[in-house]
Amino acid sequence: SQKIEQNSEALNIQEGKTATLTCNYTNYSPAYLQWYRQDPGRGPVFLLLIRENEKEKRKERLKVTFDTTLKQSLFHITASQPADSATYLCALLRGGGSQGNLIFGKGTKLSVKP
Amino acid sequence: EPEVTQTPSHQVTQMGQEVILRCVPISNHLYFYWYRQILGQKVEFLVSFYNNEISEKSEIFDDQFSVERPDGSNFTLKIRSTKLEDSAMYFCASTPYVGAGANVLTFGAGSRLTVL
Repeated sequence: SQKIEQNSEALNIQEGKTATLTCNYTNYSPAYLQWYRQDPGRGPVFLLLIRENEKEKRKERLKVTFDTTLKQSLFHITASQPADSATYLCALLRGGGSQGNLIFGKGTKLSVKP
Repeated sequence: EPEVTQTPSHQVTQMGQEVILRCVPISNHLYFYWYRQILGQKVEFLVSFYNNEISEKSEIFDDQFSVERPDGSNFTLKIRSTKLEDSAMYFCASTPYVGAGANVLTFGAGSRLTVL
């Protein structure tokens, strides 16, 4: 079955450093992959989408890479700030599923210490 | 910025009772969704809804669940006879019909359901 794994449940880093989060998937050949941010008790908020023919995508301090050979996406936050502390989810459109039927990873909880 | 609104933010109910969760999707979106997240678990797809009918549902979405768009703005999720394991955060989401954002979900803040 299709699976998404986010290897780290939690990541603690110092303010100013770069956070790197990993998303791996199996039994799947997605056309694109998405990253969301989720704050405690809130709904996920879309951050970035990267397509299979894009190696890298950037938005301000965020950068996403997508390696379809390794079946992996990396999510980077440069110059991290305490306000970046949240859970970050990767998501794929379910194979054979209809529009909006996404499979989410369990997420990586990022804590940025001042 | 347009947002998806959900009510109530928190509902406590007794097992076996009916619950209705309400959502107002973004006004120009045409696809609507319910997802749920059990505490500490993944966000899981329940159902998608388009053109006044269910487009797709997951195995979680059994006969105890139903969705409805009773008017031009609200989108509801009904659980007929709640069970303890229905306790979760329920998220409504919406997307445009087509275009680049067709699979980018805009989520509401969620409705926390606690079944006692």
